[in-house]
Amino acid sequence: IAGITQAPTSQILAAGRRMTLRCTQDMRHNAMYWYRQDLGLGLRLIHYSNTAGTTGKGEVPDGYSVSRANTDDFPLTLASAVPSQTSVYFCASSRSQGGTHSEQFFGPGTRLTVL
Amino acid sequence: GIQVEQSPPDLILQEGANSTLRCNFSDSVNNLQWFHQNPWGQLINLFYIPSGTKQNGRLSATTVATERYSLLYISSSQTTDSGVYFCAVGRPNSGYALNFGKGTSLLVTP
Repeated sequence: IAGITQAPTSQILAAGRRMTLRCTQDMRHNAMYWYRQDLGLGLRLIHYSNTAGTTGKGEVPDGYSVSRANTDDFPLTLASAVPSQTSVYFCASSRSQGGTHSEQFFGPGTRLTVL
Repeated sequence: GIQVEQSPPDLILQEGANSTLRCNFSDSVNNLQWFHQNPWGQLINLFYIPSGTKQNGRLSATTVATERYSLLYISSSQTTDSGVYFCAVGRPNSGYALNFGKGTSLLVTP
């Protein structure tokens, strides 16, 4: 059982380029999330999806988009990367419903540098 | 949004010492998790503890939801305990995402 996988592990990207970070989970969790981690700021929520076919904006959504075509995959796209999007990106998932949280699990992260 | 404050921000211990990390939050929650981020950046689940007390080996945690705080105890610390410890909370009826504190950076020296 892999849990949550993310790809790529790291990437250096020129400003203005488009980039998609991939996230796949095999736990059949309904809810998935994207967070970014910046030094001294902890983790902040970018986008989330409570179930396949639905998505929502988090605390820092600008410049990012997501889709949730099925239960397992939740890709994050940077349409035109900017240096302020240099960060470590974590994907997470949980089995949550009816307003009740359950334990969230995190992937290994993608380290993205935008030059 | 909900405020999550962790203390202390930094901690240096000698191997074998005990420590207590604190997490205060500003609103009622129905999820609280403690994570250890190791030096390689991995986020490791320690406890899912919206209330009560749990123990796992040398680690234990207590959440007093009515008083809006949680404590993480590390006993007989080892160098492998080094890293950053995060507290994260989720609120009722505001989605399932977690709100993270800024973490406590722990260094355990031999």
